[in-house]
Amino acid sequence: KAGVTQTPRYLIKTRGQQVTLSCSPISGHRSVSWYQQTPGQGLQFLFEYFSETQRNKGNFPGRFSGRQFSNSRSEMNVSTLELGDSALYLCASSLGPSGGNNEQFFGPGTRLTVL
Amino acid sequence: DQQVKQNSPSLSVQEGRISILNCDYTNSMFDYFLWYKKYPAEGPTFLISISSIKDKNEDGRFTVFLNKSAKHLSLHIVPSQPGDSAVYFCAAIDPGTYKYIFGTGTRLKVLA
Repeated sequence: KAGVTQTPRYLIKTRGQQVTLSCSPISGHRSVSWYQQTPGQGLQFLFEYFSETQRNKGNFPGRFSGRQFSNSRSEMNVSTLELGDSALYLCASSLGPSGGNNEQFFGPGTRLTVL
Repeated sequence: DQQVKQNSPSLSVQEGRISILNCDYTNSMFDYFLWYKKYPAEGPTFLISISSIKDKNEDGRFTVFLNKSAKHLSLHIVPSQPGDSAVYFCAAIDPGTYKYIFGTGTRLKVLA
């Protein structure tokens, strides 16, 4: 069974640009969560999608948005990029909505560098 | 405000000895905790979890202890192996929103 895949793996953008990251969950998983990992901040929750609906949202500005498609694939978009958006963006999928019995499986991440 | 804290950014341990990674949380409503391990260039992988109805959960070389009164949990790895060298994250699930709240991670280095 294929794991969670994220594309692209590495990305370099300049300030002011926008970027779209993609996540394909494990087959059969309907929940996708996105996290931002920066040194010293750990994993910061961005949002969770379940059955094409945003179920939860973290404390990030509106420049960060996401969506989920009917095949459970998810994209996140960051507009008007800032230097501080440089981070590893991780996607995690689970069978059902996040909770104690629904283990999250993480993808390898997309390393975004903003110059 | 960091609700889940891992105050030791790094830890070095000799192979064969015990590794103890610590995690503190501030919200007494948290009732489910998880540990993840992360190697470079890979996503975190689930290691072990514990519910607040327990104070200990064991899985092979890994044991998690939960002290609810102190709002503290720890992960013990015995015996430590060089392959255990990774960044370890503890996480709590917010029972109201079911969000995973992660700590900042502890980098464990097991020396051969």
